[in-house]
Amino acid sequence: QKEVEQNSGPLSVPEGAIASLNCTYSDRGSQSFFWYRQYSGKSPELIMSIYSNGDKEDGRFTAQLNKASQYVSLLIRDSQPSDSATYLCAVNMISFSGSARQLTFGSGTQLTVLP
Amino acid sequence: DGGITQSPKYLFRKEGQNVTLSCEQNLNHDAMYWYRQDPGQGLRLIYYSQIVNDFQKGDIAEGYSVSREKKESFPLTVTSAQKNPTAFYLCASGHRYEQYFGPGTRLTVT
Repeated sequence: QKEVEQNSGPLSVPEGAIASLNCTYSDRGSQSFFWYRQYSGKSPELIMSIYSNGDKEDGRFTAQLNKASQYVSLLIRDSQPSDSATYLCAVNMISFSGSARQLTFGSGTQLTVLP
Repeated sequence: DGGITQSPKYLFRKEGQNVTLSCEQNLNHDAMYWYRQDPGQGLRLIYYSQIVNDFQKGDIAEGYSVSREKKESFPLTVTSAQKNPTAFYLCASGHRYEQYFGPGTRLTVT
């Protein structure tokens, strides 16, 4: 079965530090990768998408993709307490039912930024 | 205001009852999706639709049904055949591979 793996955490970092979140995936054919932020009790919010190898920066967020290693990561610079949330990695891969490519989600990494 | 709306926010039902969750979007997205999320777990795909009057089963479709009569609407019915219906249900719509989520419906069945 196609899988997306994340460390469940919890991951704690002090305010102002860099938080590093990692994700591996099993489908070598995957081409689209996403990071969602989910606050407790709320729905996921798309914060980054990446399609090509390398880095993509958006404000304090940087997504990094290495297709050869089947690895995608999210760096959060100058972490703030408001960044405390669960971060979900999602990869576009063949679904379990085999009918089409769909997003497969990891179980998420819980991040806590300590003031 | 563009977005995805889901109603109700909380829903309580007795075992054996069917229940329908509403999802509406005004983003003009062709594709719509239903996921469920259980505590400590990622999202699992229930059903998806890429065009009006057509929909496909996801990974965990048993005990659920959907319809897609309008581009803007994709309601989900949780039937009495679903063995563990208590969960957080999330509707999403999307353009190409990006998906955007509604606020969700928390269903509790006792």
